[in-house]
Amino acid sequence: DAGVTQSPTHLIKTRGQQVTLRCSPKSGHDTVSWYQQALGQGPQFIFQYYEEEERQRGNFPDRFSGHQFPNYSSELNVNALLLGDSALYLCASSPMGNTEAFFGQGTRLTVV
Amino acid sequence: AQSVAQPEDQVNVAEGNPLTVKCTYSVSGNPYLFWYVQYPNRGLQFLLKYITGDNLVKGSYGFEAEFNKSQTSFHLKKPSALVSDSALYFCAVRARSNYQLIWGAGTKLIIKP
Repeated sequence: DAGVTQSPTHLIKTRGQQVTLRCSPKSGHDTVSWYQQALGQGPQFIFQYYEEEERQRGNFPDRFSGHQFPNYSSELNVNALLLGDSALYLCASSPMGNTEAFFGQGTRLTVV
Repeated sequence: AQSVAQPEDQVNVAEGNPLTVKCTYSVSGNPYLFWYVQYPNRGLQFLLKYITGDNLVKGSYGFEAEFNKSQTSFHLKKPSALVSDSALYFCAVRARSNYQLIWGAGTKLIIKP
């Protein structure tokens, strides 16, 4: 049983560009959350998707958007990239009603 | 505002000695409490959680955590440290009325042979 998988593992983008990160949840999980982890810091909640809808959003600008597909996989889109968007982006999945989140290995985004 | 504090950036312990990694929180109500571990260039691995019940929670790899409601603390412990326990440890909290995890800044645990 594969765990949470994220792609790509590393990515380099230029300021002003747009990026899409992808996440496949663990089998049987229908809820996906995205987190941003800057170097030397704890993760920050971006948003959570359930039943293809954004259920809750953290304190991130509208440049950050997402999507969840019928198979529960999810995408994180970031527009107009800034240098400060450089971070490890983590996807977490959980089954509905479960408090525990399972994390993928993350996508390391570098904006130059 | 909701917050989680891990007061120690780094904890150094000799192999075989007991270890404690501290966590305090400021979240209303009776939150869910978690510990995760992160190895270099890896995602976060779940160690244990407190939902309700016994204040001492046992988790993976011999770790346990003690919930103290009056002190709003959830310290991670292990009776005998291994070199392989060296990693970055995060405490996280989730309010019962909320879906987001709020994280501490992490504590680097170094176990010396």
